[in-house]
Amino acid sequence: LAKTTQPISMDSYEGQEVNITCSHNNIATNDYITWYQQFPSQGPRFIIQGYKTKVTNEVASLFIPADRKSSTLSLPRVSLSDTAVYYCLVGDDQAGTALIFGKGTTLSVSS
Amino acid sequence: SAVISQKPSRDICQRGTSLTIQCQVDSQVTMMFWYRQQPGQSLTLIATANQGSEATYESGFVIDKFPISRPNLTFSTLTVSNLSPEDSSIYLCSVEDLQGSYEQYFGPGTRLTVT
Repeated sequence: LAKTTQPISMDSYEGQEVNITCSHNNIATNDYITWYQQFPSQGPRFIIQGYKTKVTNEVASLFIPADRKSSTLSLPRVSLSDTAVYYCLVGDDQAGTALIFGKGTTLSVSS
Repeated sequence: SAVISQKPSRDICQRGTSLTIQCQVDSQVTMMFWYRQQPGQSLTLIATANQGSEATYESGFVIDKFPISRPNLTFSTLTVSNLSPEDSSIYLCSVEDLQGSYEQYFGPGTRLTVT
């Protein structure tokens, strides 16, 4: 399983765009990149998943360069409710595969 | 998607005792996973529970300390045995979505405090 490196923490203000970058230099050909969000006292929640290029959903965008050695989660116009821990995970997208969590990035959004 | 409930939501236990945590899913799933999240830390996988077979434990976790049951496709229990203060953590179960993306859904967690 590819190891991931993310910033420990980030600070932002409401209305700003936040970009969290994750490094995964040893990503394998079959690996997908997945981001989860965790609020205090809750279990993690799936945000977005991608393999290459760009993926966008109603919550975020995920940018993956051609070499796939890093990825960037982009949160447009954050609000106070986006304050959470964001985890970048890299692994084989096969049934029965458990998630291996790294340390995550604690995002704090202020008014 | 799957909706997962856990019981109890929190408990305070004395050292040397055991706590059994229940995980109920609103749909049938093949694999269930148990994680531990120590205060201020990330999630650590304890074991994978497949219905009808023995659970598979990760390095550092053993069946005697964390026995798991998986009697059917919607339910699992994790027991934390012979409790010590170091076992104070949040314990979470999760299941995977088999509808294509294999994203996982997590329960709300059980907060265990050992005194």
